[in-house]
Amino acid sequence: GAVVSQHPSWVICKSGTSVKIECRSLDFQATTMFWYRQFPKQSLMLMATSNEGSKATYEQGVEKDKFLINHASLTLSTLTVTSAHPEDSSFYICSARSSGRAYEQYFGPGTRLTVT
Amino acid sequence: GNSVTQMEGPVTLSEEAFLTINCTYTATGYPSLFWYVQYPGEGLQLLLKATKADDKGSNKGFEATYRKETTSFHLEKGSVQVSDSAVYFCALSDQVEGNEKLTFGTGTRLTIIP
Repeated sequence: GAVVSQHPSWVICKSGTSVKIECRSLDFQATTMFWYRQFPKQSLMLMATSNEGSKATYEQGVEKDKFLINHASLTLSTLTVTSAHPEDSSFYICSARSSGRAYEQYFGPGTRLTVT
Repeated sequence: GNSVTQMEGPVTLSEEAFLTINCTYTATGYPSLFWYVQYPGEGLQLLLKATKADDKGSNKGFEATYRKETTSFHLEKGSVQVSDSAVYFCALSDQVEGNEKLTFGTGTRLTIIP
């Protein structure tokens, strides 16, 4: 149990375009979802926290107008990278937490974004 | 603020060797501590956790003890296998004010050779 999927697993887009990444909890209801960014050989950096039905809370330094997060249901959150630039190329990882397990997050496999 | 420092890799060991990956932390409150493992092409998986001082987390032969006096949570395994090759992340979740955010270390890549 506690499986989180991400789609797509990798995507290539051109500068100036937008790309949407989906994060789904497959077998549990995720009251909270988290979006991370992972640079090569570096740690995961939390970008934002989203609760179902409310606006996401962004970490300091993360542009909310550039990284749009929507948590429309208890099983789906989306991250849209708007007007992507090469510096947005990274590995994006989501995680989900159910209401019953306060400090345990279940992670998706990640999405590799390359902006050309 | 909170931070996690873990030993830099990569670490290469022979099969059946003893493994230690050091992890120390800085936190303002009373954190829970975690080790996550990331196998190639997969997402992070929780390996073990400890929620209070002197707790020992264990799973799949791995162990880590929450040492408040040394602010450490070192990961150990007595006899590693090739299948243990992965990237290991130490992390903390601060419990003060219900903060549920995870703060990660930089990860340690472990390679086990037959």
